[in-house]
Amino acid sequence: DTAVSQTPKYLVTQMGNDKSIKCEQNLGHDTMYWYKQDSKKFLKIMFSYNNKELIINETVPNRFSPKSPDKAHLNLHINSLELGDSAVYFCASSQNRGRTEAFFGQGTRLTVV
Amino acid sequence: DQQVKQNSPSLSVQEGRISILNCDYTNSMFDYFLWYKKYPAEGPTFLISISSIKDKNEDGRFTVFLNKSAKHLSLHIVPSQPGDSAVYFCAAIERGNTPLVFGKGTRLSVIA
Repeated sequence: DTAVSQTPKYLVTQMGNDKSIKCEQNLGHDTMYWYKQDSKKFLKIMFSYNNKELIINETVPNRFSPKSPDKAHLNLHINSLELGDSAVYFCASSQNRGRTEAFFGQGTRLTVV
Repeated sequence: DQQVKQNSPSLSVQEGRISILNCDYTNSMFDYFLWYKKYPAEGPTFLISISSIKDKNEDGRFTVFLNKSAKHLSLHIVPSQPGDSAVYFCAAIERGNTPLVFGKGTRLSVIA
C-alpha cells in the first residue's frame, strides 16, 4: 500500500502544452511538498502546503500552480511547458512542519520536446 | 548558493568494509539533519536523522556523526552490502522551519 503516490510516472509532452501531475498521501500527514530534481541532480523545494494552505513558494515561475483540494492531495499544474521544465518532480509529505522526515513519492519524469 | 554540500559525487567500497559518506553545511540555523537513500526510478527514502543537540545517532548498520563546530556530518555504513548501492542525499532543516534542503548526493557502489 503506497504511502505517497504520484501519477503519471513518465510524462512526455510538447512545448506549449499544459499538464498536471497528481499526488496523494495516505499517511494522514498535514504537510505536503513538491520538489524538483533538475539535470544537475539537485533536489529543490518548489512548494509546501500545510493543511491545504500554501506556506512556501520558492522562486518558481507562475506557470506552475499547485492545488490542494484536501490535505491528502497536492496536484501540480504546469502551463505553457518549456524545454527547461524537463526534470523529475517529486511529491512528498511529512507529519508536520519542522523536525520530521518527509516521505517521497516515486517521482514523475517530465520530458518536454 | 549551496547550503548543503556533498563534495564526493561517487564512492566505491568493497562488500563488508565501511562506507563513509560526508556532508558539509554552511547555514548555522540548521538544527536537524537527515540522510536519504535513493534507488534509480524511485523516490528518496528516509534512512537516519540527527538533532543538533546530539553528536551521534546509530541505527543498526548506519551511524550518523555530527560535528557542529566544523559544520560537518558523516554517515557510516558498516558492514557495507551490495544492496546499499544507491545515491545518498544529505538534507537539513532550519530551526522552526521546513522544508528539507538537500545536498547533491553521493553515489555509493558496494562491490561484491
